[in-house]
Amino acid sequence: TQLLEQSPQFLSIQEGENLTVYCNSSSVFSSLQWYRQEPGEGPVLLVTVVTGGEVKKLKRLTFQFGDARKDSSLHITAAQPGDTGLYLCARSNTGKLIFGQGTTLQVKP
Amino acid sequence: DVKVTQSSRYLVKRTGEKVFLECVQDMDHENMFWYRQDPGLGLRLIYFSYDVKMKEKGDIPEGYSVSREKKERFSLILESASTNQTSMYLCASSPRDRGLYYGYTFGSGTRLTVV
Repeated sequence: TQLLEQSPQFLSIQEGENLTVYCNSSSVFSSLQWYRQEPGEGPVLLVTVVTGGEVKKLKRLTFQFGDARKDSSLHITAAQPGDTGLYLCARSNTGKLIFGQGTTLQVKP
Repeated sequence: DVKVTQSSRYLVKRTGEKVFLECVQDMDHENMFWYRQDPGLGLRLIYFSYDVKMKEKGDIPEGYSVSREKKERFSLILESASTNQTSMYLCASSPRDRGLYYGYTFGSGTRLTVV
């Protein structure tokens, strides 16, 4: 299994701060997805990126796909307590998704 | 509202018991998946199915089996539960050929404790 490395594993910040979460692999992705999971629920898709260098925005969330398609980042501007959750990146591998270990984000009011 | 429904949110079973985890989706999706989720390890794929009566092993199939007799239902079976199978189990589905772009739809999970 080709691994996805996410960093950091844990992040605890104050409301209003900015943060970036990273997802890296040694091999090229054909596509990459970001999910968010709240406690007691399953992951929910946020975005899919497919083109090297692609940038997608979802309100205060900005997703970037590296030019070489080996890495991706999620940047949150002015984090809010509602952003608290587990953020997972996932890549396709022979028709199925392989997930990173996740970044747990806590935003304190 | 389309959804994936897992039959139990919490389950406590004894070591050696045969355990059935049920998953039903109402989106007419061809693909269904079972993952387990453990802290620091992310989601790991146990089994998946691309069609009725078809099944494929994922990364960690040992100690598990699956059944897909109908398109909407995918069952995960723990033949003889062990304590190292205590985990959160997540079922997901996706449309054929489009899941890698449109994403998977997950159920809310079953937290299984084996004592």
